[in-house]
Amino acid sequence: GDSVTQMEGPVTLSEEAFLTINCTYTATGYPSLFWYVQYPGEGLQLLLKATKADDKGSNKGFEATYRKETTSFHLEKGSVQVSDSAVYFCALSEGNSGYSTLTFGKGTMLLVSP
Amino acid sequence: NAGVMQNPRHLVRRRGQEARLRCSPMKGHSHVYWYRQLPEEGLKFMVYLQKENIIDESGMPKERFSAEFPKEGPSILRIQQVVRGDSAAYFCASSQGQHRDTIYFGEGSWLTVV
Repeated sequence: GDSVTQMEGPVTLSEEAFLTINCTYTATGYPSLFWYVQYPGEGLQLLLKATKADDKGSNKGFEATYRKETTSFHLEKGSVQVSDSAVYFCALSEGNSGYSTLTFGKGTMLLVSP
Repeated sequence: NAGVMQNPRHLVRRRGQEARLRCSPMKGHSHVYWYRQLPEEGLKFMVYLQKENIIDESGMPKERFSAEFPKEGPSILRIQQVVRGDSAAYFCASSQGQHRDTIYFGEGSWLTVV
C-alpha cells in the first residue's frame, strides 16, 4: 500500500537558518503530494502541493519539488522564523478508486529559536 | 467563506459514555473525511462520506465507531462506550469533488477519555 516516510524530529534551528525536512513516498500510481502544517493546538493547514512530476509547490517561503525518480518531496525554506515552529506533515493522495484520501507521514516537529 | 467547522473543540468523556463529534464542510463541498490523530502519530484515515452515503470506511474500527452525513445537517462521528484508547484528536476534512481535489481540514476535536 501507499506510505509516506518523513525524517524524525524534532528539528531544532536558529532563526534565519536553512530548513530541509525530508519526505519520501511509495505509491502504485501517480499521486499528488502535499505538505500540511499544524501549529500547536490547531488543525492542519495546507502549506503547498504538487500534482505531477517536476512540479514545484511553494507558499510563504516554503518550497518542495515533486521528484518522481527519487520518489521524494522534500520541504525547504531558505530562512526560518520563530513563527514557523510547528509540526509538518508530508502526505500523498492517489485516488485510484476514483476518489482521494490522504496518506500521511508521522510528522516532523520544527522548533525555531530566536 | 467559512472553512470546515468542527465542534466541540474539546470533549471529555468518562469510560463507557458516548462521544459525538460534528463537522460542517466548507460551503460547496459535498465530500467529507474523518481522520484520527493518536498521540505522537500521524493522521490516519477513518472514513469517507458523501451526502447520505458511506463511500469508504476501511479505516474505521469495526466496533463502537460509526459515521453519517445526512442530507441536511453536519456529518457526525459517533463513538459508543468510549475507552481510554479513543483519546485522540479527530479531524474532519472536506473537498469539492473527488479525484485529486484538495482536501481542507477543520481545527479538530480533541477527545479525552477519563
